[in-house]
Amino acid sequence: QPVLTQSSSASASLGSSVKLTCTLSSGHSSYIIAWHQQQPGKAPRYLMKLEGSGSYNKGSGVPDRFSGSSSGADRYLTISNLQSEDEADYYCETWDSNTLVVFGGGTKLTVL
Amino acid sequence: EVQLVESGGGLVQPGGSLRLSCAASGFTFSSYWMHWVRQAPGKGLVWVSRINSDGSSTSYADSVKGRFTISRDNAKNTLYLQMNSLRAEDTAVYYCARAWLLLDYWGQGTLVTVSS
Repeated sequence: QPVLTQSSSASASLGSSVKLTCTLSSGHSSYIIAWHQQQPGKAPRYLMKLEGSGSYNKGSGVPDRFSGSSSGADRYLTISNLQSEDEADYYCETWDSNTLVVFGGGTKLTVL
Repeated sequence: EVQLVESGGGLVQPGGSLRLSCAASGFTFSSYWMHWVRQAPGKGLVWVSRINSDGSSTSYADSVKGRFTISRDNAKNTLYLQMNSLRAEDTAVYYCARAWLLLDYWGQGTLVTVSS
């Protein structure tokens, strides 16, 4: 079954860029993933689906500052021109016919 | 606009039961698989259960198998989660979510607290 690994925390300055990583376990490097954002005290929000090719499809209303990319088993979420409202937990998710939905442990992003 | 609105959460004693509902609107409910995901206080997201579009197939996390039952009423555009034999470790915010393979819309969540 796939396992998703994320760093527990990240930080970057207001107005800068940050790249968050989600790594798929061995044997699952081709899997499509989704990125979700959870601001403090709020429900998760779907950001995008991201394929192994690097092609991504964003959800409705997701700002252009959010983009995705891939390299091997790594799936990236890049946030440009960081805003204070980007301070949140970011989760990656994948799907498998046997295990169904799997989440990474989440990355807590701090905007300095 | 897609909307998912959960209800039914609350305080329940260990061993008790609760039924959560998720009212869907803004999309063709009967075309989508639906999921329940929970989040314990201060913890990450954990998948609980899923049901296919016509309700004929369901799956559960091992931690809730045999205690929770997912169902749906496509005529009422509503998803349910029947939770029996509740334990302290079931305390969490429960979210319903729509899926097209991966989750793409979330409800606002409903808090379930299991405590004596």
